[in-house]
Amino acid sequence: SAVISQKPSRDICQRGTSLTIQCQVDSQVTMMFWYRQQPGQSLTLIATANQGSEATYESGFVIDKFPISRPNLTFSTLTVSNMSPEDSSIYLCSVVSSGREGPYEQYFGPGTRLTVT
Amino acid sequence: EDQVTQSPEALRLQEGESSSLNCSYTVSGLRGLFWYRQDPGKGPEFLFTLYSAGEEKEKERLKATLTKKESFLHITAPKPEDSATYLCAARRSNDYKLSFGAGTTVTVRA
Repeated sequence: SAVISQKPSRDICQRGTSLTIQCQVDSQVTMMFWYRQQPGQSLTLIATANQGSEATYESGFVIDKFPISRPNLTFSTLTVSNMSPEDSSIYLCSVVSSGREGPYEQYFGPGTRLTVT
Repeated sequence: EDQVTQSPEALRLQEGESSSLNCSYTVSGLRGLFWYRQDPGKGPEFLFTLYSAGEEKEKERLKATLTKKESFLHITAPKPEDSATYLCAARRSNDYKLSFGAGTTVTVRA
């Protein structure tokens, strides 16, 4: 399994500012993703972080609002730009890893709880 | 469009009272049905991936099963520490995107 850490674990930010979230994995992984979980909701995929190229965004998410970097196979950042209260969510990094019981397991980081005031 | 529906939304159990959670899915070419446990304020914790109908997996008091249309998570003799939200998610054959259900929040009373 993969061990994922995220920084910061939580933050309170003012509207109009930006926050960069870091994701570090303890092993090299090919597939890395960023998800959002709004209060009381389930998880929604924001984008796939591609190493060495631009991220692939899901419908409703754009690069100007959520720029993503992936400089290598163990690290990625997500920036939430020009924040508004609607951006208050938990942001989660996720990776695909080969597991003991099968070819495909997907793990999530501990999350970054963002509150925008 | 892919759909994953979980029921019930909430489940209150007495300690030792076994029960099942349901996850029904409509996904083209299913390549994996995932179960996660999520505690408040934390990221989802991976439990199981099921790949084909008829497959079963167990972990402590949890057992997951899969049919062609749905998956069940059975909780046997639950304890208060099993209280959490349980999420299921489905992956299609042509990409790695997971479609999540809304979750079932389980509360186990001592």
